[in-house]
Amino acid sequence: DAGVTQSPTHLIKTRGQQVTLRCSPKSGHDTVSWYQQALGQGPQFIFQYYEEEERQRGNFPDRFSGHQFPNYSSELNVNALLLGDSALYLCASSFPTGFYGYTFGSGTRLTVV
Amino acid sequence: SQQGEEDPQALSIQEGENATMNCSYKTSINNLQWYRQNSGRGLVHLILIRSNEREKHSGRLRVTLDTSKKSSSLLITASRAADTASYFCATDEDGGSQGNLIFGKGTKLSVKP
Repeated sequence: DAGVTQSPTHLIKTRGQQVTLRCSPKSGHDTVSWYQQALGQGPQFIFQYYEEEERQRGNFPDRFSGHQFPNYSSELNVNALLLGDSALYLCASSFPTGFYGYTFGSGTRLTVV
Repeated sequence: SQQGEEDPQALSIQEGENATMNCSYKTSINNLQWYRQNSGRGLVHLILIRSNEREKHSGRLRVTLDTSKKSSSLLITASRAADTASYFCATDEDGGSQGNLIFGKGTKLSVKP
């Protein structure tokens, strides 16, 4: 039973560039949430996708956008990268209500130089 | 913003001892979840306790929830070196955004063999 798969695992980008991170949810899950975790901090909610639409959004600028595909996989896009965007980006999948909790992927470590 | 606050920030114990971590939060919740994170990798879901539950067990883990004090504790009994990790509590707010888990900064547990 495959869990949540994220790619790539590591990424180095230059300030001002754009990046796309990918996530495949756990089998049976149809809801995908994205989190940003800065070093030494807890994860912070970016947004959640359900039925190919952004359902909820945290306190992140419009430079952060996403997409969900018909197979429930998802992408996180970040434009005009800043040094402060360097973080571990985590994807979590669940059933729509999150009633049974969330399954997280191993994350993508993004470094902006 | 972060709701949960774990205490202590760091904990160092010997193998075989028990480890207790505490979490406080600010608002009414649907449930509270505990996660483990090894060396900045993905989060592993440990246990979910609902707002109408007071105690829950899973293997060597025991979680309590006191909604009147807005606090929770995670007890790991008979700790092992493999338990060395950061532990986060996350709350699912009552009336909050679905999928918007709010994490604390975590407790860094070190178990020495």
